Amino acid sequence: DAGVTQSPTHLIKTRGQHVTLRCSPISGHKSVSWYQQVLGQGPQFIFQYYEKEERGRGNFPDRFSARQFPNYSSELNVNALLLGDSALYLCASSLIGTGVYGYTFGSGTRLTVV
Amino acid sequence: QKEVEQNSGPLSVPEGAIASLNCTYSDRGSQSFFWYRQYSGKSPELIMFIYSNGDKEDGRFTAQLNKASQYVSLLIRDSQPSDSATYLCAPHNLNDMRFGAGTRLTVKP
Repeated sequence: DAGVTQSPTHLIKTRGQHVTLRCSPISGHKSVSWYQQVLGQGPQFIFQYYEKEERGRGNFPDRFSARQFPNYSSELNVNALLLGDSALYLCASSLIGTGVYGYTFGSGTRLTVV
Repeated sequence: QKEVEQNSGPLSVPEGAIASLNCTYSDRGSQSFFWYRQYSGKSPELIMFIYSNGDKEDGRFTAQLNKASQYVSLLIRDSQPSDSATYLCAPHNLNDMRFGAGTRLTVKP
């Protein structure tokens, strides 16, 4: 059974560009959350989607947006990239919106902004 | 005040010792709590889940929760070098799960 899959695994972008990161949850999981992890820090919550609706949002600027598709996969979009957006972006899926049974993480997308 | 605070590492213990990892949180509405382990260069993996006051044991791991004090801890008995990792505390609310900065644990052979 496939786990949470993220693509691409690595990405290099230039300041000011736009980036789209993709995530496919575990089969049967309807909730997807996105996190940003800077080296040496814990993951910072960006968004949670459940049944295609945004259910939670962290303290990130409007340059960050996301959506969830009917098949429960998700995209994270970041516009006008800054050097400070360089980080590991993690996607996590859970069985139900409350995440009571925990979140399963993908391997992440390493984004480097130059 | 940060939402989730963990004791700063790195924490170093000898093999076979008990490692104690602590976490305090600010949101009294937090319903359940997770401990994740993250090896260097890897994504976090769930190791413990607790939602009731008291202790929960799973093998060498014991999670302790005190909602009145807004405190949750993780004890690792008989620590092994393979336990060397960063441990992340994550209180869970209705629509999000927020992590602390993590405590880096090193178990020395």
